[in-house]
Amino acid sequence: SQQGEEDPQALSIQEGENATMNCSYKTSINNLQWYRQNSGRGLVHLILIRSNEREKHSGRLRVTLDTSKKSSSLLITASRAADTASYFCASSTGANSKLTFGKGITLSVRP
Amino acid sequence: ETGVTQSPTHLIKTRGQQVTLRCSSQSGHNTVSWYQQALGQGPQFIFQYYREEENGRGNFPPRFSGLQFPNYSSELNVNALELDDSALYLCASSATGGQGEVSGANVLTFGAGSRLTVL
Repeated sequence: SQQGEEDPQALSIQEGENATMNCSYKTSINNLQWYRQNSGRGLVHLILIRSNEREKHSGRLRVTLDTSKKSSSLLITASRAADTASYFCASSTGANSKLTFGKGITLSVRP
Repeated sequence: ETGVTQSPTHLIKTRGQQVTLRCSSQSGHNTVSWYQQALGQGPQFIFQYYREEENGRGNFPPRFSGLQFPNYSSELNVNALELDDSALYLCASSATGGQGEVSGANVLTFGAGSRLTVL
């Protein structure tokens, strides 16, 4: 079963705009991670936020976590055509390192 | 430093056959996880191996089995293939103590996947 639900399911923006993606999860977590996948290939880790953190930055990425609402958001600033990909949130309860992924968001950045 | 490599990249099988997928983990990683990703879906956890033993399993039947070798490489075996087994199979390695997050670990490094088609 998939714990996470991302929204929107698909997002199309112009290059240079910001992209905001949201994720909700169901159970208590140890950390939440975001991954990116290009064209059905392997996933690439983007950023991790722990349950005791509220916001984290990495380059053009900003992730927030609201444990009271069991939700997270990923902001990509100044998007580029190369950011076109599917984005997944993945939650971890800390046990066995298992990650529970959502269904993903398809981001299209138009040049 | 080498990443995670998987083989084969693509394969076609018929219903009822058996398949073995292989994975070499990233240097320095001691834990391997396998995920199944159906088209348009997120990856689903199959199982994880640590120190050559299964260390967590998702909601998959026993015909999905695996191995981890002393060099931390791994195999996923699927018996009695069904049409619904058609998917991208992803191997991921990580550097954990087998008990979950260690100093910010449980970050997964994925291979490019093996795409299985069952006819």
